[in-house]
Amino acid sequence: DARVTQTPRHKVTEMGQEVTMRCQPILGHNTVFWYRQTMMQGLELLAYFRNRAPLDDSGMPKDRFSAEMPDATLATLKIQPSEPRDSAVYFCASGLEVYEQYFGPGTRLTVT
Amino acid sequence: GDSVTQMEGPVTLSEEAFLTINCTYTATGYPSLFWYVQYPGEGLQLLLKATKADDKGSNKGFEATYRKETTSFHLEKGSVQVSDSAVYFCALSDGGANSKLTFGKGITLSVRP
Repeated sequence: DARVTQTPRHKVTEMGQEVTMRCQPILGHNTVFWYRQTMMQGLELLAYFRNRAPLDDSGMPKDRFSAEMPDATLATLKIQPSEPRDSAVYFCASGLEVYEQYFGPGTRLTVT
Repeated sequence: GDSVTQMEGPVTLSEEAFLTINCTYTATGYPSLFWYVQYPGEGLQLLLKATKADDKGSNKGFEATYRKETTSFHLEKGSVQVSDSAVYFCALSDGGANSKLTFGKGITLSVRP
């Protein structure tokens, strides 16, 4: 049963530290999405890639966030420096078609 | 731009009650419509979809019909179970080459025994 995997599942860090979240999309999927979920804002699309090329990162704060796909099996989301307002659950999703998105279990980030 | 509006929640029902969760949308063109479900502690899962007007999507006893005239895609289930307790998201995609999903805010459903 193919699944999207995300690491770490939980991360607690201090303000100012760098945070790296990793995602392994389902093998063969060509589209990868990063979302952030909070109680206040709900689900927000941060960035997405197709065939490893970034298509849209307009939802991401450019000064501190960066998203990359070094290869087809790995997507990363980095925050540097982290701030308390970045505390959220970050989801990665992959798919072959835009609406067939398979979500990972998420990384719960707490910045103190 | 495209948007999805869901009814305010949360919703609490007794087991075997009838469920309706309202969803309306604003979009140019002919979007595809979806319902995603998020169980506690998990990521979202596609529940059902409809890609053109009057299509009915169905899965696990849930149904939703694409109504172009009312720009709606309401989710229904005839008899809910405790295991249906989750957050439900309505979403749309405009279907363009680089299109993405636009999600509603989600609504929490709690079903009590």
